[in-house]
Amino acid sequence: DTGVSQDPRHKITKRGQNVTFRCDPISEHNRLYWYRQTLGQGPEFLTYFQNEAQLEKSRLLSDRFSAERPKGSFSTLEIQRTEQGDSAMYLCASSLTSGSYTGELFFGEGSRLTVL
Amino acid sequence: SQQGEEDPQALSIQEGENATMNCSYKTSINNLQWYRQNSGRGLVHLILIRSNEREKHSGRLRVTLDTSKKSSSLLITASRAADTASYFCATAFKAAGNKLTFGGGTRVLVKP
Repeated sequence: DTGVSQDPRHKITKRGQNVTFRCDPISEHNRLYWYRQTLGQGPEFLTYFQNEAQLEKSRLLSDRFSAERPKGSFSTLEIQRTEQGDSAMYLCASSLTSGSYTGELFFGEGSRLTVL
Repeated sequence: SQQGEEDPQALSIQEGENATMNCSYKTSINNLQWYRQNSGRGLVHLILIRSNEREKHSGRLRVTLDTSKKSSSLLITASRAADTASYFCATAFKAAGNKLTFGGGTRVLVKP
């Protein structure tokens, strides 16, 4: 399967612990997005990369969240000192984007985080 | 805040009926996209419509775009139980670096 893969699919952690999620995009895709989704809501933008450059980080995101995409391939999203409000589905998506054109996104199945 | 907002928030129909949902947005866009999400899964792309297009079809799906009203609609014809899902519109606009932002979605239930 050559789609977007995310790991782990489920993570249960205690408040105050750090967690890291990994996303492997479709190999030729240059843009990678992270979204957060809570039950009954639409995906909320967190951050996105063009190759290895982080283009934008949501102003709603606290400093406890950090994302990287070394060498423009896979990406990691780390949450430090987790809080119960961080419980959500974390979605990764990738796309092939040229210039100012935004094409369709291909999503992974998500990583569900539960903070106890 | 989210760029697009869907209406209605929820829709319940019988198999074979048509389902229509609408999306309104606030600023000029480059394109608008519709996605489907089955419960607990990732999103799947359905249709992309560019700002200079007015209508697009894909199988049983029909999407319209009215840039003067800043709105779009998604029509699913002859619905099936397998169409039960949440449907989201997403907009890409230049002022936001062309990143995609999603609305809150319409939850569609198709009863057999």
